[in-house]
Amino acid sequence: DVVMTQTPPSLSVAIGQSVSISCKSSQSLVYSDGKTYLHWLLQSPGRSPKRLIYQVSNLGSGVPDRFSGTGSQKDFTLKISRVEAEDLGVYYCAQTTHFPRTFGGGTKLELK
Amino acid sequence: EVQLVESGGGLVQPGRSLKLSCAASGFTFSNYGMHWIRQAPTKGLEWVASISPSGGSTYYRDSVKGRFTISRDNAKSTLYLQMDSLRSEDTATYYCATPTVDYWGQGVMVTVSS
Repeated sequence: DVVMTQTPPSLSVAIGQSVSISCKSSQSLVYSDGKTYLHWLLQSPGRSPKRLIYQVSNLGSGVPDRFSGTGSQKDFTLKISRVEAEDLGVYYCAQTTHFPRTFGGGTKLELK
Repeated sequence: EVQLVESGGGLVQPGRSLKLSCAASGFTFSNYGMHWIRQAPTKGLEWVASISPSGGSTYYRDSVKGRFTISRDNAKSTLYLQMDSLRSEDTATYYCATPTVDYWGQGVMVTVSS
Protein backbone atom coordinates (compact mmCIF):
# COMPACT_ATOMS: atom_id res chain seq x y z
CA ASP A 1 0.00 0.00 0.00
CA VAL A 2 1.11 3.58 -0.63
CA VAL A 3 1.81 5.24 2.71
CA MET A 4 1.04 8.96 2.84
CA THR A 5 3.06 10.76 5.52
CA GLN A 6 1.63 14.16 6.34
CA THR A 7 3.35 16.75 8.53
CA PRO A 8 2.91 18.47 10.85
CA PRO A 9 -0.01 16.77 12.62
CA SER A 10 -1.18 20.12 13.93
CA LEU A 11 -0.61 23.81 13.35
CA SER A 12 -1.53 26.76 15.51
CA VAL A 13 -1.85 29.93 13.44
CA ALA A 14 -2.94 33.52 13.66
CA ILE A 15 -5.41 34.94 11.17
CA GLY A 16 -3.47 36.42 8.27
CA GLN A 17 -0.48 34.11 8.73
CA SER A 18 0.74 31.79 5.95
CA VAL A 19 1.30 28.07 6.53
CA SER A 20 2.52 25.01 4.65
CA ILE A 21 1.64 21.34 5.02
CA SER A 22 3.81 18.55 3.66
CA CYS A 23 2.70 15.21 2.24
CA LYS A 24 5.17 12.51 1.21
CA SER A 25 4.19 9.25 -0.45
CA SER A 26 6.06 5.96 -0.26
CA GLN A 27 5.75 5.50 -4.04
CA SER A 28 5.54 7.79 -7.04
CA LEU A 29 1.98 9.00 -7.62
CA VAL A 30 2.41 9.41 -11.37
CA TYR A 31 -0.20 7.29 -13.14
CA SER A 32 0.28 5.55 -16.49
CA ASP A 33 -1.50 8.46 -18.21
CA GLY A 34 1.25 10.82 -16.98
CA LYS A 35 -0.99 12.58 -14.49
CA THR A 36 -0.40 12.72 -10.75
CA TYR A 37 -3.54 12.01 -8.72
CA LEU A 38 -2.64 13.75 -5.50
CA HIS A 39 -5.38 15.86 -3.94
CA TRP A 40 -5.82 18.05 -0.88
CA LEU A 41 -9.01 18.01 1.21
CA LEU A 42 -10.31 20.14 4.07
CA GLN A 43 -12.70 18.75 6.65
CA SER A 44 -14.25 21.57 8.63
CA PRO A 45 -15.67 20.63 12.06
CA GLY A 46 -18.79 18.48 11.73
CA ARG A 47 -18.67 18.53 7.94
CA SER A 48 -17.83 16.16 5.11
CA PRO A 49 -14.43 16.57 3.48
CA LYS A 50 -14.19 19.08 0.66
CA ARG A 51 -11.62 18.88 -2.11
CA LEU A 52 -9.48 22.02 -2.39
CA ILE A 53 -6.75 21.02 -4.82
CA TYR A 54 -6.72 18.23 -7.41
CA GLN A 55 -3.85 16.69 -9.35
CA VAL A 56 -1.21 18.43 -7.23
CA SER A 57 -1.82 22.05 -8.16
CA ASN A 58 -5.29 22.62 -9.67
CA LEU A 59 -7.67 24.74 -7.62
CA GLY A 60 -11.11 23.26 -7.11
CA SER A 61 -14.20 25.17 -8.17
CA GLY A 62 -14.90 28.08 -5.83
CA VAL A 63 -11.72 27.56 -3.81
CA PRO A 64 -9.95 30.83 -2.96
CA ASP A 65 -6.58 31.42 -4.58
CA ARG A 66 -5.05 31.72 -1.10
CA PHE A 67 -4.66 27.95 -1.47
CA SER A 68 -1.92 26.53 -3.67
CA GLY A 69 -0.39 23.13 -4.22
CA THR A 70 3.03 22.14 -5.48
CA GLY A 71 5.14 19.05 -5.81
CA SER A 72 5.86 16.02 -7.93
CA GLN A 73 6.45 12.25 -7.80
CA LYS A 74 6.49 11.62 -4.03
CA ASP A 75 6.78 15.03 -2.38
CA PHE A 76 3.92 17.51 -2.17
CA THR A 77 3.04 20.73 -0.34
CA LEU A 78 -0.12 22.66 0.36
CA LYS A 79 0.33 26.35 1.12
CA ILE A 80 -2.31 28.62 2.61
CA SER A 81 -1.54 32.30 2.31
CA ARG A 82 -3.26 34.69 4.70
CA VAL A 83 -5.21 32.17 6.78
CA GLU A 84 -8.83 33.09 7.45
CA ALA A 85 -11.14 31.75 10.17
CA GLU A 86 -13.06 29.62 7.64
CA ASP A 87 -9.81 27.73 6.85
CA LEU A 88 -9.73 26.03 10.25
CA GLY A 89 -10.22 22.27 10.33
CA VAL A 90 -8.30 19.14 9.34
CA TYR A 91 -6.41 18.96 6.05
CA TYR A 92 -5.78 15.63 4.32
CA CYS A 93 -3.75 14.67 1.31
CA ALA A 94 -5.21 11.82 -0.71
CA GLN A 95 -3.91 9.71 -3.58
CA THR A 96 -6.16 8.12 -6.21
CA THR A 97 -3.34 6.81 -8.40
CA HIS A 98 -2.95 3.39 -6.77
CA PHE A 99 -5.24 0.86 -5.11
CA PRO A 100 -5.86 0.87 -2.25
CA ARG A 101 -6.56 4.60 -2.23
CA THR A 102 -4.84 6.12 0.79
CA PHE A 103 -4.92 9.29 2.81
CA GLY A 104 -2.46 11.20 4.93
CA GLY A 105 -3.04 11.19 8.67
CA GLY A 106 -4.33 14.76 8.65
CA THR A 107 -3.10 18.17 9.80
CA LYS A 108 -5.32 20.02 12.25
CA LEU A 109 -5.22 23.78 11.69
CA GLU A 110 -6.20 25.72 14.82
CA LEU A 111 -6.30 29.34 15.86
CA LYS A 112 -3.44 30.64 17.97
CA GLU B 1 -25.64 20.55 -8.77
CA VAL B 2 -23.99 17.27 -7.77
CA GLN B 3 -25.58 15.61 -4.77
CA LEU B 4 -24.72 12.37 -2.98
CA VAL B 5 -27.09 11.28 -0.24
CA GLU B 6 -26.24 8.26 1.91
CA SER B 7 -28.77 6.27 3.90
CA GLY B 8 -29.11 2.96 5.72
CA GLY B 9 -26.83 3.45 8.71
CA GLY B 10 -27.63 2.63 12.31
CA LEU B 11 -26.80 0.51 15.33
CA VAL B 12 -26.17 -3.17 14.65
CA GLN B 13 -24.85 -6.07 16.69
CA PRO B 14 -21.51 -7.69 15.89
CA GLY B 15 -21.86 -10.39 13.26
CA ARG B 16 -25.00 -8.87 11.73
CA SER B 17 -25.49 -7.15 8.38
CA LEU B 18 -26.34 -3.69 7.11
CA LYS B 19 -26.77 -2.24 3.62
CA LEU B 20 -25.87 1.35 2.82
CA SER B 21 -27.19 3.29 -0.16
CA CYS B 22 -25.92 6.43 -1.86
CA ALA B 23 -28.34 8.23 -4.17
CA ALA B 24 -26.55 10.35 -6.78
CA SER B 25 -27.87 13.25 -8.81
CA GLY B 26 -26.57 16.17 -10.85
CA PHE B 27 -24.18 14.16 -13.00
CA THR B 28 -24.20 11.14 -15.32
CA PHE B 29 -23.73 8.48 -12.65
CA SER B 30 -23.13 5.64 -15.10
CA ASN B 31 -19.99 7.37 -16.45
CA TYR B 32 -18.11 7.38 -13.15
CA GLY B 33 -16.53 4.95 -10.77
CA MET B 34 -17.41 5.52 -7.14
CA HIS B 35 -15.84 5.05 -3.70
CA TRP B 36 -16.96 4.24 -0.19
CA ILE B 37 -14.70 5.91 2.38
CA ARG B 38 -15.10 5.72 6.14
CA GLN B 39 -14.00 7.66 9.19
CA ALA B 40 -13.98 6.09 12.65
CA PRO B 41 -14.84 8.48 15.51
CA THR B 42 -12.06 11.05 16.00
CA LYS B 43 -9.91 9.26 13.37
CA GLY B 44 -8.77 9.97 9.81
CA LEU B 45 -10.15 8.92 6.47
CA GLU B 46 -9.94 5.32 5.29
CA TRP B 47 -10.82 4.08 1.81
CA VAL B 48 -13.14 1.05 1.91
CA ALA B 49 -14.09 0.04 -1.63
CA SER B 50 -14.45 1.24 -5.21
CA ILE B 51 -16.45 0.20 -8.23
CA SER B 52 -16.00 0.88 -11.94
CA PRO B 53 -18.66 2.76 -13.96
CA SER B 54 -20.23 -0.44 -15.29
CA GLY B 55 -19.92 -2.28 -12.00
CA GLY B 56 -17.77 -4.93 -13.65
CA SER B 57 -14.70 -4.18 -11.52
CA THR B 58 -14.62 -3.84 -7.76
CA TYR B 59 -11.82 -3.17 -5.29
CA TYR B 60 -11.70 -3.57 -1.50
CA ARG B 61 -9.38 -2.88 1.36
CA ASP B 62 -8.03 -6.09 2.84
CA SER B 63 -9.89 -5.78 6.16
CA VAL B 64 -13.32 -5.86 4.47
CA LYS B 65 -12.66 -8.36 1.66
CA GLY B 66 -15.11 -11.23 1.83
CA ARG B 67 -17.41 -9.28 4.20
CA PHE B 68 -18.39 -6.16 2.25
CA THR B 69 -19.81 -5.96 -1.28
CA ILE B 70 -19.95 -2.78 -3.31
CA SER B 71 -22.49 -2.61 -6.11
CA ARG B 72 -24.44 -0.10 -8.16
CA ASP B 73 -27.70 0.33 -10.06
CA ASN B 74 -27.02 2.78 -12.87
CA ALA B 75 -30.71 2.92 -13.80
CA LYS B 76 -31.41 4.27 -10.31
CA SER B 77 -28.17 6.28 -10.00
CA THR B 78 -27.54 4.53 -6.72
CA LEU B 79 -24.44 3.05 -5.11
CA TYR B 80 -24.61 0.36 -2.45
CA LEU B 81 -22.44 -1.19 0.23
CA GLN B 82 -23.60 -4.51 1.65
CA MET B 83 -21.80 -5.06 4.94
CA ASP B 84 -21.90 -8.56 6.44
CA SER B 85 -20.23 -10.06 9.51
CA LEU B 86 -19.83 -6.62 10.98
CA ARG B 87 -17.18 -6.02 13.64
CA SER B 88 -16.75 -3.30 16.24
CA GLU B 89 -13.85 -1.91 14.22
CA ASP B 90 -16.26 -1.18 11.35
CA THR B 91 -17.87 1.53 13.49
CA ALA B 92 -17.50 4.73 11.49
CA THR B 93 -19.16 7.38 9.42
CA TYR B 94 -19.38 6.05 5.86
CA TYR B 95 -19.17 8.43 2.92
CA CYS B 96 -19.73 7.83 -0.75
CA ALA B 97 -17.50 9.90 -3.01
CA THR B 98 -16.72 10.43 -6.68
CA PRO B 99 -13.53 8.95 -8.15
CA THR B 100 -11.21 11.92 -7.64
CA VAL B 101 -12.86 12.75 -4.30
CA ASP B 102 -14.31 15.98 -5.64
CA TYR B 103 -17.80 15.29 -4.31
CA TRP B 104 -18.77 13.64 -1.02
CA GLY B 105 -22.05 12.75 0.60
CA GLN B 106 -23.02 13.96 4.06
CA GLY B 107 -22.04 10.61 5.56
CA VAL B 108 -24.01 7.96 7.43
CA MET B 109 -23.08 6.59 10.85
CA VAL B 110 -22.68 2.86 11.38
CA THR B 111 -22.26 1.66 14.97
CA VAL B 112 -21.43 -1.98 15.62
CA SER B 113 -22.04 -2.80 19.25
CA SER B 114 -23.83 -5.33 21.43
